[in-house]
Amino acid sequence: GEQVEQRPPHLSVPEGDSAVIICTYTDSATAYFYWYKQEPGAGLQLLMSVFSNVDRKEEQGLTVLLNKKDKQLSLNLTAAHPGDSAVYFCAVSAGGSGNKLIFGTGTLLSVKP
Amino acid sequence: EAAVTQSPRNKVTVTGGNVTLSCRQTNSHNYMYWYRQDTGHGLRLIHYSYGAGNLQIGDVPDGYKATRTTQEDFFLLLELASPSQTSLYFCASSQGGSTEVFFGKGTRLTVV
Repeated sequence: GEQVEQRPPHLSVPEGDSAVIICTYTDSATAYFYWYKQEPGAGLQLLMSVFSNVDRKEEQGLTVLLNKKDKQLSLNLTAAHPGDSAVYFCAVSAGGSGNKLIFGTGTLLSVKP
Repeated sequence: EAAVTQSPRNKVTVTGGNVTLSCRQTNSHNYMYWYRQDTGHGLRLIHYSYGAGNLQIGDVPDGYKATRTTQEDFFLLLELASPSQTSLYFCASSQGGSTEVFFGKGTRLTVV
């Protein structure tokens, strides 16, 4: 079945720098791609979703790139600030009625003032 | 705002104990899910359901039962809890298809 690798597991950047998280998936039939943010004691907050016909999507300081040839999904936080410190997960889905999500292993991002 | 409420938020039980985790959604969603989150694994799907009385097997179902009693309520049952089931459990709901999946705040279960 589908497998998703996420890297790096830990990332520390100074405030104002960019942070890049990369996920690699295995199933070429994967159609939907998601990035979630998890803060301590909270559930998962959806940051952005993209469909497989989109190569690049930008929203509010976040850029998602999808490289279907290499089966790679990335999240770029431009000009990170301390409030961005959290655990980030990518997730993928083949779609279908159940929308079962397969998650990456997570990245703990620390943004230092 | 879509709402998924889990209870309890924290639970400690002994090995061999019986535990029920509860989840209620007020989103009128058809689909509900139970995931467990473990370091190095991300979130993994245990069971899911597309309506009252329905249950579908997820990717890591061993040792877990689940029951969807109403459209709103989905329960996860551990009848003989083991230390390997110590984890952070998330319930979620969605309308299915490619629609957004909404998560609860999680239940931290410790089996000693």
